[in-house]
Amino acid sequence: KQEVTQIPAALSVPEGENLVLNCSFTDSAIYNLQWFRQDPGKGLTSLLLIQSSQREQTSGRLNASLDKSSGRSTLYIAASQPGDSATYLCAVIAGYALNFGKGTSLLVTP
Amino acid sequence: DGGITQSPKYLFRKEGQNVTLSCEQNLNHDAMYWYRQDPGQGLRLIYYSQIVNDFQKGDIAEGYSVSREKKESFPLTVTSAQKNPTAFYLCASKSTPGANVLTFGAGSRLTVL
Repeated sequence: KQEVTQIPAALSVPEGENLVLNCSFTDSAIYNLQWFRQDPGKGLTSLLLIQSSQREQTSGRLNASLDKSSGRSTLYIAASQPGDSATYLCAVIAGYALNFGKGTSLLVTP
Repeated sequence: DGGITQSPKYLFRKEGQNVTLSCEQNLNHDAMYWYRQDPGQGLRLIYYSQIVNDFQKGDIAEGYSVSREKKESFPLTVTSAQKNPTAFYLCASKSTPGANVLTFGAGSRLTVL
């Protein structure tokens, strides 16, 4: 069974810092990997989708990388802002099966 | 605008009652999913459906039931057999297996009194 782990579980940084969130998975036979953002009491908003043939995707201040062989993905957030405060989840997708990590709770302080 | 609509947003239930959570999508997606989210536990898959009139159990299907009579709709019933139903429930959909974005609804919060 695919296991998805996100480290750290929680992170607090001052505004303006660059930061990295980590996601690791145990089975490299995946179709793609998706990063989400979740605000308290809300649904999940898709941030980036990396297909298994890709190594990274970028959207604005966000950059996500994928290394299937090592079972790792990172989400890089540049020049963090208080509005980035949320929980970030990664999901590993293989066919119809999706496995989620427990998320990293990010707090960006002014 | 295309998207997923979940209702109700908040629901209170007495013990022993069945409740049904609605999930409707206008994205023309084939696959639909129900997840349960508890604090500190991440998302756990309850049921999923790949096509109309077909659905499969996820990791925690006990005490839940679903139907998929229309492509747009995938309602979830939380039955009285579910021992700990208080949670945040999320519905999601995507078009096909493979490289397609998973889209989520805003969620329904169920509280058992």
